[in-house]
Amino acid sequence: EVQLLESGGGLVQPGGSLRLSCAASGFSFSYFAVTWVRQSPGKGLEWVSAISNSGGNTYYADSVKGRFTISRDNSKNTLYLQMKSLRAEDTAVYHCAKGGYGNYYFDYWGQGTLVTVSS
Amino acid sequence: DIQMTQSPSTLSASVGDRVTITCRASQSISTWLAWYQQKPGKAPKLLIYDASSLESGVPSRFSGSGSGTEFTLTISSLQPDDFATYYCQQYNTFSSLTFGGGTKVGIK
Repeated sequence: EVQLLESGGGLVQPGGSLRLSCAASGFSFSYFAVTWVRQSPGKGLEWVSAISNSGGNTYYADSVKGRFTISRDNSKNTLYLQMKSLRAEDTAVYHCAKGGYGNYYFDYWGQGTLVTVSS
Repeated sequence: DIQMTQSPSTLSASVGDRVTITCRASQSISTWLAWYQQKPGKAPKLLIYDASSLESGVPSRFSGSGSGTEFTLTISSLQPDDFATYYCQQYNTFSSLTFGGGTKVGIK
C-alpha cells in the first residue's frame, strides 16, 4: 500500500525557517517524481515545488522561488522541503504527492502537515 | 505561466443528475491534464489523467474529455459520495504546474 506521511509543520514567526519531511512507503520511491502542494485555509490547491525521480531536476512556483528548497534522499525514501524567509501567506496545509508514470500528475497524496506563519 | 480557469466555481445538483465541469487553459496543453476530487479535511484524489484516462478504482460514471485548451469532467449520474470540490491540473510544463481554482459540487 502506498503511503506518504508528512511531518515537520508547526507555528513559526515571519522570517523564520522550517523543514518539512515526507516519508514514502509502498512503492519504488526512486522511480517517481514527487511534489509539494499547499492549500491555504478555505482556498484551492497551489503547486509549490516538484523534483524528478533522481533529484537532478527541481521546479518551483514563482511564489516560493529563492526561499524554498526541495530535495530527496532516495536511500531513505524521503522527500524534504526547506522553507526560509517564511511569510504569513505561506500559511497552509502542505501535502506531498507521488508522480504518475513518467509524468507530473499525482496519483497518491499524503494527508498534509499544517504550517502556520504568525507572530 | 499557463493559467487554468474552471467553471463554474460552484454548482448545485441532485443525485442522479449529469454534471459537467469545464477547465480552460490559457495556452495549448495537448492532453496533459488531470482531474482531482477533494473532500473537506482530506487529501485530493486522482480521478482522470492524460485528459481522458480513468485512474484505477475510480467509478466509470466519471469521464474526461478535451485537448488543447478546453477540457471537461463529466459525472454521468451524480451519487451522494460525489459531493466534493473538483480541481483540474495541467502538467504540460513541468517547471510550472498549475491547478484550476476548483469547482464545488453541492446538494440542490
